[in-house]
Amino acid sequence: QVQVQESGPGLVKPSETLYLTCTVTGGSISSYSWSWIRQSPGKGLEWIGYIYYTGTTNYNPSLKSRVTLSVDTSKRQFTLKLTSVNAADTAVYYCGRGASMVRGAIDLWGQGTRVIVSS
Amino acid sequence: DIVMTQSPLSLAVTPGEPASISCRSSQSLLHSNGYNYFDWYLQKPGQSPQLLIYLGSIRASGVPDRFSGSGSGTDFTLEISRVEAEDLGVYYCMQALQTPFTFGQGTRLEIK
Repeated sequence: QVQVQESGPGLVKPSETLYLTCTVTGGSISSYSWSWIRQSPGKGLEWIGYIYYTGTTNYNPSLKSRVTLSVDTSKRQFTLKLTSVNAADTAVYYCGRGASMVRGAIDLWGQGTRVIVSS
Repeated sequence: DIVMTQSPLSLAVTPGEPASISCRSSQSLLHSNGYNYFDWYLQKPGQSPQLLIYLGSIRASGVPDRFSGSGSGTDFTLEISRVEAEDLGVYYCMQALQTPFTFGQGTRLEIK
């Protein structure tokens, strides 16, 4: 059974760089898009971007200047890097798999990892 | 960005009764290939969102047939034929026609 697990530091200081990891177990990462989505009380669900196993990416313009998605196919891991974090980046961050050959349709979600930006 | 607007924002339903949630997009989600790039998700309390419906009307794997999606273009509806207690949570619509993918603000379903 394919599972997705996010992991991260939990607490990050303002202006620092946030790194989150999404690990896929029990299945392939090819043929799918892998999205990062965050949820904060003030802004609801916000799509951050997606990446394919090839490394092809697509970012939300609202975050594009600060976010980088990358993939390590050997580990079946995806990484989100977010620079210059501030309080507005406090959220639960989810990693999710887009259904094969279908745009959107995020059919497998991780449990999410909570990030608090605070000094 | 495409703006997604849901209504109502909350509803309370008696088990066994039907429920309906609407979502309207600021632009048509109908692609030239004939598909509407539109999803419905349910986020149960304390859980991650789960996919219910994609391409406007196709139930995701394992989703009970009491859930149905309809609509095209800019207006979409999620219907639950007979609400069960396990259906409580927040329902979100999402468009995937163009990036950035965008979500509705959510509709909270409570069980009477």
